[in-house]
Amino acid sequence: AQSVTQLGSHVSVSEGALVLLRCNYSSSVPPYLFWYVQYPNQGLQLLLKYTSAATLVKGINGFEAEFKKSETSFHLTKPSAHMSDAAEYFCAVSVAGGTSYGKLTFGQGTILTVHP
Amino acid sequence: KAGVTQTPRYLIKTRGQQVTLSCSPISGHRSVSWYQQTPGQGLQFLFEYFSETQRNKGNFPGRFSGRQFSNSRSEMNVSTLELGDSALYLCASSSPSSSAYEQYFGPGTRLTVT
Repeated sequence: AQSVTQLGSHVSVSEGALVLLRCNYSSSVPPYLFWYVQYPNQGLQLLLKYTSAATLVKGINGFEAEFKKSETSFHLTKPSAHMSDAAEYFCAVSVAGGTSYGKLTFGQGTILTVHP
Repeated sequence: KAGVTQTPRYLIKTRGQQVTLSCSPISGHRSVSWYQQTPGQGLQFLFEYFSETQRNKGNFPGRFSGRQFSNSRSEMNVSTLELGDSALYLCASSSPSSSAYEQYFGPGTRLTVT
């Protein structure tokens, strides 16, 4: 079974500061990893995905994440926060096939607040 | 391409009633997954359908069911509603040709049970 832990349910940064949202995963087989963002009263939008092609993954809106197998981590970063980045962010894991068809396992989410 | 659509967006039902939610996937996507999102439990997987067959199911009671049609549209049904079923229900679609089976989500249906 897979699991995801997001460290910090709330993160607050100033506009222009570095954003770092932490995610650790557990999986007995090579995982696919994802970051999603959710704005109020909306669904989830895919920010980026890890598929083993490259350990540093670039996504939309200036976000990127680095897969570190030794640390079982997939932290999300953005060099300079913008007010529009304020939202809830979810890390998710899946594996191919078997009993995992179509199933994403999510972390509990991190609410990002950006101060002017 | 149009995104995933869900109808209705908002729904208010009374305890004991049943409800049907609808999801239309992205054109060409044949897999549809459903999730329940609540403040207490977060995002939880309900089930997944592919080519009209349920391939996977989460840990929910039998009151929660679903189906998929030949055009890949999917519905989920909740019978005998309980107050605890109040949640945002999200569906997501994916394509088997994608490298990581990434899922694309609809806007959700907000169900309130009174």
